[in-house]
Amino acid sequence: DAKTTQPPSMDCAEGRAANLPCNHSTISGNEYVYWYRQIHSQGPQYIIHGLKNNETNEMASLIITEDRKSSTLILPHATLRDTAVYYCIVRVGADQTGANNLFFGTGTRLTVIP
Amino acid sequence: GAVVSQHPSWVICKSGTSVKIECRSLDFQATTMFWYRQFPKQSLMLMATSNEGSKATYEQGVEKDKFLINHASLTLSTLTVTSAHPEDSSFYICSARQGAWETQYFGPGTRLLVL
Repeated sequence: DAKTTQPPSMDCAEGRAANLPCNHSTISGNEYVYWYRQIHSQGPQYIIHGLKNNETNEMASLIITEDRKSSTLILPHATLRDTAVYYCIVRVGADQTGANNLFFGTGTRLTVIP
Repeated sequence: GAVVSQHPSWVICKSGTSVKIECRSLDFQATTMFWYRQFPKQSLMLMATSNEGSKATYEQGVEKDKFLINHASLTLSTLTVTSAHPEDSSFYICSARQGAWETQYFGPGTRLLVL
């Protein structure tokens, strides 16, 4: 799987948009970008994923650059409950050999400030 | 989204005993389940991958005789930590997915403390 690079930490004011960047310059054509978050002492929570088009769901939006070498997760109106470590992971769509397992990097620790 | 549960949520045991952790997919059938371990202030480390009815595939450096994984049904996987030692104290998290194309969902984790 391609390696991702994320800033170790970010702050965001409550009510403002949180924009979390991720670099994945070695991503392959069949690799998806996944975002998970982990709130303290809990298991990771799935947020969103995409291949090349921008995606939006009830939690967040995912913006993927045209060359697919980077992406941004956007939380439109951050709340205190969004304080967590956010992980950007790339993985192939389907592979019976296990190459599409999820391997976690160090993520970005987002702190939402009142 | 899909729900994955774990039991127990936390366990304390004496050194040398064995501990079993259960992972269940509650509203979907999981052809593949995963076990991760997370030490304080570190990221999740994949320990093993198991497909229903097959032997688990362990990541490099994970002792398969110490961490026994059973995936006997499409909704249940168990991780048994045999002869636990204090260095096995960690946060163990399972995850599951329905098929190779599907999203992987995580359980809430089990905190193990070995005294």
